[in-house]
Amino acid sequence: QVQLQESGPGLVKPSQTLSLTCTVSGGSISSGSYYWSWIRQPAGKGLEWIGRIYTSGSTNYNPSLKSRVTISVDTSKNQFSLKLSSVTAADTAVYYCASWFRRDGAFDIWGQGTMVTVSS
Amino acid sequence: DIVMTQTPLSSPVTLGQPASISCRSSQSLVHSDGNTYLSWLQQRPGQPPRLLIYKISNRFSGVPDRFSGSGAGTDFTLKISRVEAEDVGVYYCMQATQFPWTFGQGTKVEIK
Repeated sequence: QVQLQESGPGLVKPSQTLSLTCTVSGGSISSGSYYWSWIRQPAGKGLEWIGRIYTSGSTNYNPSLKSRVTISVDTSKNQFSLKLSSVTAADTAVYYCASWFRRDGAFDIWGQGTMVTVSS
Repeated sequence: DIVMTQTPLSSPVTLGQPASISCRSSQSLVHSDGNTYLSWLQQRPGQPPRLLIYKISNRFSGVPDRFSGSGAGTDFTLKISRVEAEDVGVYYCMQATQFPWTFGQGTKVEIK
């Protein structure tokens, strides 16, 4: 059973770069059956898809964040990562990593989420 | 972007009674590969989202059969045949037919 776990700083200063890592356990990130995604959720609000990466390194990003987002994969560590630059208070949210199962065409596994606050 | 509009935004339901949530997309969700990438997620309080239904009507592994999905094109529905206490939470529809992938605003299901 694949499990995902987010990790990273819970507090980031405005204008700095938010960096999070998602560790995949119970399966290989190199599996061609999955895309790996980041989604965020401001407190009390809905879900926003940030972007996805395939094991090959191919990415797709939400245009609303594209100029500030980088998602990368480290197959040797079975991890994928999110970098969001020039953050503001509007980037304060719970950040989830999730696996997209290609056969089902849906997010089948989600991490528990990690709260990131942007504040000085 | 494809806008996903859910109704109602809040649904007070009596235990054992049915509940229904509608999701409408601003464009057809039929992908060029013939699939319709419309899924439903449940988010219980304090929990991450959990997949219930994928490709309109397919129940994910372990999801009770009181949950069902239907629809086509731009109109979709999630039904709970008999609401149980553990069904309290927020339900989201989501489209993955076109980038950027987008979610509905969420429907809160609560017990009367």
